[in-house]
Amino acid sequence: AQKITQTQPGMFVQEKEAVTLDCTYDTSDPSYGLFWYKQPSSGEMIFLIYQGSYDQQNATEGRYSLNFQKARKSANLVISASQLGDSAMYFCAMRETGYSSASKIIFGSGTRLSIRP
Amino acid sequence: DVKVTQSSRYLVKRTGEKVFLECVQDMDHENMFWYRQDPGLGLRLIYFSYDVKMKEKGDIPEGYSVSREKKERFSLILESASTNQTSMYLCASLNSGTGLRNTIYFGEGSWLTVV
Repeated sequence: AQKITQTQPGMFVQEKEAVTLDCTYDTSDPSYGLFWYKQPSSGEMIFLIYQGSYDQQNATEGRYSLNFQKARKSANLVISASQLGDSAMYFCAMRETGYSSASKIIFGSGTRLSIRP
Repeated sequence: DVKVTQSSRYLVKRTGEKVFLECVQDMDHENMFWYRQDPGLGLRLIYFSYDVKMKEKGDIPEGYSVSREKKERFSLILESASTNQTSMYLCASLNSGTGLRNTIYFGEGSWLTVV
């Protein structure tokens, strides 16, 4: 069954340190996409990074990179040089193409990241 | 810019009431979604839809139904509201396009309290 698991409910990190947020997934669909979103206290959902199941290289977007290990079904988000503004909830999500027309997108339970000055 | 508008930001309803949460998107997206967000549980998919032709149950459809009579509008219906449906509800839309990369666009959320 399709599932996203985030095992870290909360994390505290010192400013300027790198941080890894864990995400594992389960799907039987060979073609899928993985996303990370940030949700600050304002509540808006901000898209951070995308990784396709057939992408050969790990995705990078500025300070964000995705450590994609397909065999282990993991898609961890790495934030380099963390900043105070990185304090937020982070969600991992997966999109499948198992449906002929529709897309199903599911999310994990999230990780609340707090950056210490 | 894509705009996903949820008609009500904050609602308070009584147990047993029928509740409608409305969502409209302005970019002709085929796919629309309803999620609820609860602390510690993340976003859970209630229903999703592809155009007016198809509606599909998500992971937690019990107690909910949906309506999509026009492509731009996707409504979530609580037939008989209960206190365990107190939550934040997020609507989202997505352009099918080509490939999986297209990102999902969210509304601002509707905070529903059932008393």
